[in-house]
Amino acid sequence: DTGVSQDPRHKITKRGQNVTFRCDPISEHNRLYWYRQTLGQGPEFLTYFQNEAQLEKSRLLSNRFSAERPKGSFSTLEIQRTEQGDSAMYLCASSLESRTYEQYFGPGTRLTVT
Amino acid sequence: AQSVTQLGSHVSVSEGALVLLRCNYSSSVPPYLFWYVQYPNQGLQLLLKYTSAATLVKGINGFEAEFKKSETSFHLTKPSAHMSDAAEYFCAVTDATNTGNQFYFGTGTSLTVIP
Repeated sequence: DTGVSQDPRHKITKRGQNVTFRCDPISEHNRLYWYRQTLGQGPEFLTYFQNEAQLEKSRLLSNRFSAERPKGSFSTLEIQRTEQGDSAMYLCASSLESRTYEQYFGPGTRLTVT
Repeated sequence: AQSVTQLGSHVSVSEGALVLLRCNYSSSVPPYLFWYVQYPNQGLQLLLKYTSAATLVKGINGFEAEFKKSETSFHLTKPSAHMSDAAEYFCAVTDATNTGNQFYFGTGTSLTVIP
C-alpha cells in the first residue's frame, strides 16, 4: 500500500489556461474525495465519487471545475480557463465505503495561476 | 449544518511544555471528530479520531483529545512538546448521517515550538 498519490505536485500556469490534476487512491478504496485548500484556510470539500459515480458535485466552485473517475480507480480534476483565484492546494482523499470517516489524504497539488 | 471553530490561529509553546489546541464543533447530530496535522507542502496526516466510542481518544505521536458533548469541544493535547510537533493542525467534523461523509475543517492552528 503506497497511499494516495497525486500528480503533479506543483503546477504553474497562466491565467486562462486549462489544467488537469490526477489522483490515485489507495487501491481497495472505492470512495474518492477532492478538496481545495487556500492559504491560511482548512480544506474545503469539492466533490466525491463512489467507484465511477460522482455522487456529490454541487460544491464544485464553478462550472469551470469538473472531475471524473472513469474506471473507478484514478480520478482527474480539471479547471478550465484558470483564474488567479484558483491558486490553491488541491487535495485528494480516499476511503472504503464502509469506513468513510477514515479518509486518507494525498500530498496535494499546488496550483499557482500567474 | 456542521462546522468547527479553532480558537487561536497561532500557538507557541516551549519544548517540553504542554500543548493545548482548541476545537469547538457545531453539529445537529452526533458528530465524528478528527484532528489532522499538516507539515509544509504536504498533505494531511490523521492524528486521531472520535467516532462515538471512548470520549478520551489517544492518537499518534503522544497526542490525545477528549470529546466533551456538554462543551461541544474536542481539544487536542500533548503533555510535552517536541520540536518535531511544529506544524499546522486541523480539526474536522463529519457525522454518520452524512452519506458522503465530507469533512468540514476548521481554519487551522499553527503550532510553533520554541527550543
